[in-house]
Formats: sequence, C-alpha cells, structure tokens
Amino acid sequence: DTGVSQDPRHKITKRGQNVTFRCDPISEHNRLYWYRQTLGQGPEFLTYFQNEAQLEKSRLLSDRFSAERPKGSFSTLEIQRTEQGDSAMYLCASSRRLGTSGRGTDTQYFGPGTRLTVL
Amino acid sequence: AQSVSQHNHHVILSEAASLELGCNYSYGGTVNLFWYVQYPGQHLQLLLKYFSGDPLVKGIKGFEAEFIKSKFSFNLRKPSVQWSDTAEYFCAVNPDSWGKLQFGAGTQVVVTP
Repeated sequence: DTGVSQDPRHKITKRGQNVTFRCDPISEHNRLYWYRQTLGQGPEFLTYFQNEAQLEKSRLLSDRFSAERPKGSFSTLEIQRTEQGDSAMYLCASSRRLGTSGRGTDTQYFGPGTRLTVL
Repeated sequence: AQSVSQHNHHVILSEAASLELGCNYSYGGTVNLFWYVQYPGQHLQLLLKYFSGDPLVKGIKGFEAEFIKSKFSFNLRKPSVQWSDTAEYFCAVNPDSWGKLQFGAGTQVVVTP
C-alpha cells in the first residue's frame, strides 16, 4: 500500500496525559499536513511541513501541540496535557510540491486518521 | 473572514435522481478547488480538482463540477446517483500559493434504494 498511513488509528486517554501520533506520507511527497476534524465539521488545518521545515502553524494550535518532521519523511504530532476538547479525528495528508512560493498545483492525499478520545 | 460555504448539510434522494451540491468561497484571486468524498468508514478521497483551464471538470464515479469565477462557486453534480454514493462530501479551497486547504462543513448525502 503506497497511501498515507497513520498510527495509531484509535487512542483513548485520560485528561492530562500526553499523546503522540505518527504519520507516514506517500514516499515521494515532500509536503505533509496535519488537520483536525470534529463531528459535523470539515477538517481544520493545524500545521504543515515542506521536507523538514515547518512552514505554517494555525492560530488554533495551542502551545500544548507540537509537530515534528525531523528527517523530512514521517511526522509526529504530540499533544501535551490533553483536554476533553482535544477529542477529535486527527488527519494527515501529503502532497508533492515544487518550490515554496508561487502558485502550487499539488493535490493532498489523506490518511485514515487517528481518532482521539480524551476521558 | 475568508470562508468556504456548503449550502446543504444533509441531502436525501432516491437512486437515479440527480445531485447538485453547492460550494461558495470568499477568497479573491486565484484559487485551486477540490471536492473530497468520505464514504462510511473510509478516509477522505479526492473526487475531482480544478486548477485552471476548462471550468467544467470531470472526476471519478461520474461526478463533475463547474467553476464559475464570477459567482465564486464550484458546484458538484452527478446526473444519476447510486446507493453507493451515500457519503459525506467536502468542498475545499487552496488559495493561490497557500499550502493549506480550507474546507467547507460538508454535506451528508444519503441515497435511498
């Protein structure tokens, strides 16, 4: 399977605990995105990387959230001191983009998501 | 605020009926436009996309969408739906040179036999 993969698929945790999710993009894709989706809403952008550089973070992303992509391949998203409001589906997407400026015509492909439930 | 609006949250229709889902966005300038679909229990999949050129784009499974720049719209259509088209449909916009996608809230489509 050459699609985007995410691990774990489900995570149940208690309020206050830290959690970490992993995303493996499609192998030739240099861009990797994280989104969050809650029930009845479309995905909301959190952050994205081009190679190992984090190019943008949403203002929605509190300082409890951190994402890394150390070698420009897989990425991790960590949530510290989880709150019940963090319960959501966390989606990862990847794309192949040439350059960092100008009009892009890349297409994002999504993984299956990690469903987080904070008790 | 810049936004993406999908007009209907829920649509119920019978097999063989025609489907049209509305999508409007509020960005000026050049945009890339997408429709994604999420079938029950599956992840988001790309239905079709528009970058430039012919404003009528065809996607998978008989879907098409028309970009009308003057109306800031990108409506999705299918002439005759099947039960297997039951899914949630998301419109997404990628404004010029941005990396991120901005999604609408989605439309849940239920096709009855």
